[in-house]
Amino acid sequence: LAKTTQPISMDSYEGQEVNITCSHNNIATNDYITWYQQFPSQGPRFIIQGYKTKVTNEVASLFIPADRKSSTLSLPRVSLSDTAVYYCLVGDNSGNTPLVFGKGTRLSVIA
Amino acid sequence: GAVVSQHPSRVICKSGTSVKIECRSLDFQATTMFWYRQFPKQSLMLMATSNEGSKATYEQGVEKDKFLINHASLTLSTLTVTSAHPEDSSFYICSARPTDYNSPLHFGNGTRLTVT
Repeated sequence: LAKTTQPISMDSYEGQEVNITCSHNNIATNDYITWYQQFPSQGPRFIIQGYKTKVTNEVASLFIPADRKSSTLSLPRVSLSDTAVYYCLVGDNSGNTPLVFGKGTRLSVIA
Repeated sequence: GAVVSQHPSRVICKSGTSVKIECRSLDFQATTMFWYRQFPKQSLMLMATSNEGSKATYEQGVEKDKFLINHASLTLSTLTVTSAHPEDSSFYICSARPTDYNSPLHFGNGTRLTVT
């Protein structure tokens, strides 16, 4: 299972764009990159998933370079409610393959 | 969107008793469910993989006789913490994988177990 490395923590002011980069050097051909958000005492919530290039949805964008050894989650104009832990996970979506969590990035948004 | 319901959200029990936690996929079928536990300020740690109709696969260091997992249908998996001890107090989270393999893993909202 591909291991991921993220910054332990980040701070941002409200209204700014936040980019969180994740390294996954040994990503496999069939692996997808998935980002989750977790608030205290809640389960992880799906944010975005991608395989290559760029993916955008209503809450975030995910940038994946051609070699797929890293990815960047971009949160536009963060608010206080975006304060949470963000996890980058790598794995295929088939059968018994679980998602193994790294330490995640604790994002603190300041007013 | 896909919803995973976990029940109860919070439970307090006495040492030596057993506690059952349910995990249901509400609007999709899941042949595979995963159970995690999370200690304060730490990441999620995988405990076991649960497949419908077969025995669960436990991660190294997780006692299968203590954490009984049953995945009786495509929408329900249960985790029973048997003979609970204070060190079993933790946040338990289930996740379900839709049979559509292009879909991401969906997580329940967790169960806070406190053993007194």
